[in-house]
Amino acid sequence: AQSVTQLDSQVPVFEEAPVELRCNYSSSVSVYLFWYVQYPNQGLQLLLKYLSGSTLVKGINGFEAEFNKSQTSFHLRKPSVHISDTAEYFCAVIVSGGYNKLIFGAGTRLAVHP
Amino acid sequence: ETGVTQSPTHLIKTRGQQVTLRCSSQSGHNTVSWYQQALGQGPQFIFQYYREEENGRGNFPPRFSGLQFPNYSSELNVNALELDDSALYLCASSLAPTSTDTQYFGPGTRLTVL
Repeated sequence: AQSVTQLDSQVPVFEEAPVELRCNYSSSVSVYLFWYVQYPNQGLQLLLKYLSGSTLVKGINGFEAEFNKSQTSFHLRKPSVHISDTAEYFCAVIVSGGYNKLIFGAGTRLAVHP
Repeated sequence: ETGVTQSPTHLIKTRGQQVTLRCSSQSGHNTVSWYQQALGQGPQFIFQYYREEENGRGNFPPRFSGLQFPNYSSELNVNALELDDSALYLCASSLAPTSTDTQYFGPGTRLTVL
């Protein structure tokens, strides 16, 4: 079975500082990796995804993530955050070759302070 | 292009009642997935419909049932509501059910069971 662990439930950071949200996954088969963002009282929006190719993936709003197969990690980074980045961030996996059933982590609450 | 829409936005029911939630998929999408997001947790996969047939199911009891219509819109029905069914219910659509197809989420329906 597959599982996703988001190592921090909350990450406070000051505006314009860099941030890293950590994600580890467990799977005996190949998976695809995703980061979604959820703003208050809204649904989920795709930030970026890794299917294959370059392990450094760039997404929307200046976010990027790096796939590390040996460490089974897919950490999300942004070099300089804004107040508007305050939201819940979810890491998720899909088993490659199966159907697109997303398995989510518990989420990381990013709080950007002025 | 219209995105994924869900109705109603909020709903309050009492234990033992039945509820129907609705989802309109994005134009051109034939696959709809439903997720339950309890407070403070990541979304959990309920089931997926592809071309009006159930294509996969998560670990939810049979009182959670669904339907997909010829226009690919979908319903989620929950019978004999329990307090633990209180959650945000998210619908997502995709072009196809394959593992590389991105899911686009609606804003969700907030269900409160008293």
